[in-house]
Amino acid sequence: QQKVQQSPESLSVPEGGMASLNCTSSDRNFQYFWWYRQHSGEGPKALMSIFSDGDKKEGRFTAHLNKASLHVSLHIRDSQPSDSALYFCAASFNNNNAPRFGAGTKLTVKP
Amino acid sequence: EAAVTQSPRSKVAVTGGKVTLSCHQTNNHDYMYWYRQDTGHGLRLIHYSYVADSTEKGDIPDGYKASRPSQENFSLILELASLSQTAVYFCASRTGQNTLYFGAGTRLSVL
Repeated sequence: QQKVQQSPESLSVPEGGMASLNCTSSDRNFQYFWWYRQHSGEGPKALMSIFSDGDKKEGRFTAHLNKASLHVSLHIRDSQPSDSALYFCAASFNNNNAPRFGAGTKLTVKP
Repeated sequence: EAAVTQSPRSKVAVTGGKVTLSCHQTNNHDYMYWYRQDTGHGLRLIHYSYVADSTEKGDIPDGYKASRPSQENFSLILELASLSQTAVYFCASRTGQNTLYFGAGTRLSVL
């Protein structure tokens, strides 16, 4: 069973809308979290990391972490068709432990 | 920008044959990883290495070997390829903050 679960499996939002992606961990030892994005035919690329409780904002992207509930989310405002991709949540125990990935959320932004 | 190059980009192999997937990084990173991607499973860790001439098992190492002859090169070896090993394979290297830089992937089909 994967230790990092993502929801929903797929999500469709209109251009300009808000997309919200969720990730939960079944292992309380996970302390470091990342969001990666993968466009079709490419390797995943890191979007942002979050290591402390609370919000972290980078442009149109905001990540939120609640370690007590083992929950991390990603919110994309003003979604663009170029945001259409597969989004992965990743988690690790510490800064040296290999990150483990969820199954991904497929985001489609419709013009 | 960090560079990770994988070869070949795609390969068709026969069941029982030997397959070698290669990865080269010019990032001067110590850590390197091999993940496989399957629909519904996301990215799963096969092997990793934190120093030349040493490799470690990940979560799904059965049927795979790894080799790290130098800091720049990391290979994944399938001694006896099987149908279940059909997947897309990604190599990655990591920064000090544990953010991964992925290659473009190798699509392997075992027939």
